[in-house]
Formats: sequence, C-alpha cells, structure tokens
Amino acid sequence: ILNVEQSPQSLHVQEGDSTNFTCSFPSSNFYALHWYRWETAKSPEALFVMTLNGDEKKKGRISATLNTKEGYSYLYIKGSQPEDSATYLCAFSTGNQFYFGTGTSLTVIP
Amino acid sequence: SAVISQKPSRDICQRGTSLTIQCQVDSQVTMMFWYRQQPGQSLTLIATANQGSEATYESGFVIDKFPISRPNLTFSTLTVSNMSPEDSSIYLCSVGTAANYGYTFGSGTRLTVV
Repeated sequence: ILNVEQSPQSLHVQEGDSTNFTCSFPSSNFYALHWYRWETAKSPEALFVMTLNGDEKKKGRISATLNTKEGYSYLYIKGSQPEDSATYLCAFSTGNQFYFGTGTSLTVIP
Repeated sequence: SAVISQKPSRDICQRGTSLTIQCQVDSQVTMMFWYRQQPGQSLTLIATANQGSEATYESGFVIDKFPISRPNLTFSTLTVSNMSPEDSSIYLCSVGTAANYGYTFGSGTRLTVV
C-alpha cells in the first residue's frame, strides 16, 4: 500500500483568509494526482487532475500545483468563503490504482 | 460524467446484523468500486465489482464479510455482514478509472454499528 499524506488534518480559517494544504505522495510509479472536494452528505467532487511535473490548475478561487520529482501537491484557496468548508482529498494514481490521503477538513468561519 | 444514486445515506445498526448498500448508475459501466473510510483513515478500496464475475477483493477484505452483487452494468450492492462497531465507517461506491478521468462517487453511506 502506497502512503499518501495530507496536512494539516484540519484547519479553521476566517472568511476572506487565503489558505493552502499539502498532499505528499511517492515520487515513483506516478501517473496522475487528483484533488477532490467532499462536503458532508454529498459525493466527493473532482476538482483537478494533474499529470505533468509543474502542472498548475485553477478553478475560480481554488488552484493547485504539482511537483512529481519531490512528490507533493499544494491546493490553494484564495479569499475563503463559508461554502468552501469541506474535506479536501488528494488521490495518487499509478494508472491502475488510486491511493487516497486522509483528507484536510477545512472550516471557514463567517 | 456518470451520476450515481447510493442508498441508504445513513443507518444505525445493531452488532451482529447485516446491511446492504445499493448503488445505481445512470449509464452502463464496466467496473464499479466499493470504498470504505473509517474514522480518521484514508478512503480504502474494498473490492472491484465486474458484471458477470465475482468481485475482486483487496488485501484485508473477504467475500464472507463484504459480499458484493453486480447483476447488470448499472447496479451493484455491497453487504456488510455480521457487523461490529469496527465496521462503523462511510462506504462509497464509485465508477471510473484510475487513469486521467478519475472517479465519480456516490454520496456515501454513513454506517454506525452499536
């Protein structure tokens, strides 16, 4: 089983603050790195999939970067809003199998 | 992408009983996946369900404990048998591939065993 680590485990920020979290993964057998957003009682929602070292993706106020050589990805949220409150999961893909991190639980305080 | 309906959304069950979770997909898919997230843990793959054949279980999961049915290309069930408090988890079904497109998930079943 491959080890995918996310930090921090949980985070509380004030509305309007910007924040970021980290996903660490093995640098070998890399195929793709996925980020999901998971709100309570809803389906995990795909945010980004990144495949190339140096990839940067953006969706509104959320962006992500990828470093496959050192095995990490950052997710950034600019100007956090209460509706951003969710668990953010990353998943490391070998092309055949997904390995999920434990997630970062974000709470945005109005 | 596919839309998955999963039910029940939550349940509280007595130890020793069994619960069957259903997933219905709005399109035909070859493989469906069942995941579990125990409190504080990662999403972990339980098994892969192919239509017309037995499910393939990951290490640490066995058919007697988690029997799976896949009667057609749009439907699957996972049964959690002879439950104990350690089975309290969120169970998710999903479809897709581990390649570029990733997975689409059901909304999950939050199970509490008392």
